[in-house]
Amino acid sequence: QSVLTQPPSASGTPGQRVTISCSGSSSNIGENHVYWYQQLPGKAPKLLIGRNDQRPSGVPDRFSASKSGTSASLANSGLRSEDEADYYCAAWDDRLNGVVFGGGTKLTVL
Amino acid sequence: EVQLVESGGGLVQPGGSLRLSCAASGFTFSNYWMHWVRQTPGKGLVWVSRINTNGNNTPYADSVKGRFTISRDNTKNTLYLQMDSLTAEDTAVYYCARGGLVVSGFSLPFDYWGQGALVTVSS
Repeated sequence: QSVLTQPPSASGTPGQRVTISCSGSSSNIGENHVYWYQQLPGKAPKLLIGRNDQRPSGVPDRFSASKSGTSASLANSGLRSEDEADYYCAAWDDRLNGVVFGGGTKLTVL
Repeated sequence: EVQLVESGGGLVQPGGSLRLSCAASGFTFSNYWMHWVRQTPGKGLVWVSRINTNGNNTPYADSVKGRFTISRDNTKNTLYLQMDSLTAEDTAVYYCARGGLVVSGFSLPFDYWGQGALVTVSS
């Protein structure tokens, strides 16, 4: 059971907007930055959204993130076939004194 | 170019030990938090441990506390994970990941990851 809660799956058609939620608590998302990672099949995870919702160089601007209270979300404003992957949220947890991840959301492009 | 290359994975019997290494290059290794993250095949990511610059700040996930030891050698630009008393539940791909600059106060994000080292615990 992951500390951060994500839906196990999400889907959409090419060009569609899709959002993935990440729910936590005051000790993690409520007090710390949320990060998002993309993991393509058979590959290592890749940082998608960093601190202050910054996108690393090379990450398309169709990806964006937001946070409100103890929840966060990742948005993809125009799905492409290459976006089919697993997506994970993560944050530092002050109570556990460690990093906590969501269980991951498998995004399918229909 | 930043590179993280893990080595030392393999098959080990329950109760056995294994040491993973992560060779870093392309950045000033000693300036960054470093982490280990694992992933059971077909499952999600689980954080294992973190280490600061001089190795005196090393929290662990409860599942590995007392059995795993993270360390680093800044002269060799290498991160280590000593794994003892291994069980089948430790079977996973182990990734080393670069955290934030120590001076930033933020131990995240994981902006670079290694390719992963598979550890299989089985008799």
